[in-house]
Amino acid sequence: DAKTTQPPSMDCAEGRAANLPCNHSTISGNEYVYWYRQIHSQGPQYIIHGLKNNETNEMASLIITEDRKSSTLILPHATLRDTAVYYCIVRVAGNDMRFGAGTRLTVKP
Amino acid sequence: ETGVTQTPRHLVMGMTNKKSLKCEQHLGHNAMYWYKQSAKKPLELMFVYNFKEQTENNSVPSRFSPECPNSSHLFLHLHTLQPEDSALYLCASSRKLGWMNTEAFFGQGTRLTVV
Repeated sequence: DAKTTQPPSMDCAEGRAANLPCNHSTISGNEYVYWYRQIHSQGPQYIIHGLKNNETNEMASLIITEDRKSSTLILPHATLRDTAVYYCIVRVAGNDMRFGAGTRLTVKP
Repeated sequence: ETGVTQTPRHLVMGMTNKKSLKCEQHLGHNAMYWYKQSAKKPLELMFVYNFKEQTENNSVPSRFSPECPNSSHLFLHLHTLQPEDSALYLCASSRKLGWMNTEAFFGQGTRLTVV
């Protein structure tokens, strides 16, 4: 699976959009982009995934660049409860989920 | 509630004890996983079971012994652990169909402390 690069930490003001970047410049055509988050000492929570089209669900939006070398997870109106570590994972559909260090997002009042 | 339940949530055990962690999923999935998360480290994939068969063991010491009696239940048997084995142990499940593997759903984890 392709390697991903995420900033170690980010801050966001409550009520604002949180935009979390992920770089995956070595992604191949059959690899999906997944996002999970982990609130302190809990199990990771699946957020969203996509292949090449932008995706949106009740939690977030995923924007994938046309060359697929990077993506952005958008939380449209961040709340204090969105404070967590966010993981971007790139994997072939049949492979198991493997996690990197992620981005620690802190939402501030 | 993710549909994956782990018990106990917290466990303190001595180095000579034997204990087991339990995981149960109610999602109809056929693949189950154990992950370990040590303090300030990324999650490490320990074991993978696919249709009750172990398909991956990532160089985990033999003092950790997994068991998967059916597709809904997964155990991690622990014996003669070391203090450095203290960590959050997470169970997950997914559906594997041919070459496809859906997103994994995680339990809340067992916080293990070895004294």
